[in-house]
Amino acid sequence: GQNIDQPTEMTATEGAIVQINCTYQTSGFNGLFWYQQHAGEAPTFLSYNVLDGLEEKGRFSSFLSRSKGYSYLLLKELQMKDSASYLCAVSGRSNDYKLSFGAGTTVTVRA
Amino acid sequence: DADVTQTPRNRITKTGKRIMLECSQTKGHDRMYWYRQDPGLGLRLIYYSFDVKDMNKGEISDGYSVSRQAQAKFSLSLESAIPNQTALYFCATSDLGGLAGVSDTQYFGPGTRLTVL
Repeated sequence: GQNIDQPTEMTATEGAIVQINCTYQTSGFNGLFWYQQHAGEAPTFLSYNVLDGLEEKGRFSSFLSRSKGYSYLLLKELQMKDSASYLCAVSGRSNDYKLSFGAGTTVTVRA
Repeated sequence: DADVTQTPRNRITKTGKRIMLECSQTKGHDRMYWYRQDPGLGLRLIYYSFDVKDMNKGEISDGYSVSRQAQAKFSLSLESAIPNQTALYFCATSDLGGLAGVSDTQYFGPGTRLTVL
């Protein structure tokens, strides 16, 4: 299987920046996804990284270092609606190229 | 209209009962997946299907079975429900993915909250 670790909870203030780290172990790395999940709702796609570097998409950016087995999701200019769980998911040979999900990081944005 | 739908959205049942959860999609995707989500454990893959005649076990398939009635429909059955199958169940679809060198975004349904008493 794959070990995917991310912090359980983070709290930040509206307008601030929060960085959610994800570390993973896999062979035959095939891609890393970030999903957002509001309480009681479906996960929705945020970003995808397969090559090293930073992918920017509006207020959200995702970074990948394959050699370090490390990714982060950066949320800028936080808004109250960003309060949600953020899921890191990895595809690799270790899980037959399916997605393995981390337990998720619950971000709470405070006014 | 939602691209991926699940029925029922909520279900309470008793130990030993047979339960079927249904998933339909209008995205035209070949690949469909069933996951369960438990607090603190994240999403875990139960079964997946790459086409109508293809069914594969995932990480936690014991106690579950699936059927793919058509490209657009993928059902999950609990033959004899037990309390530790109480969870939130998600169906997902993707156009590609699941193979070496091929990753693709998965799109999730709204989930079915199942309680087994």
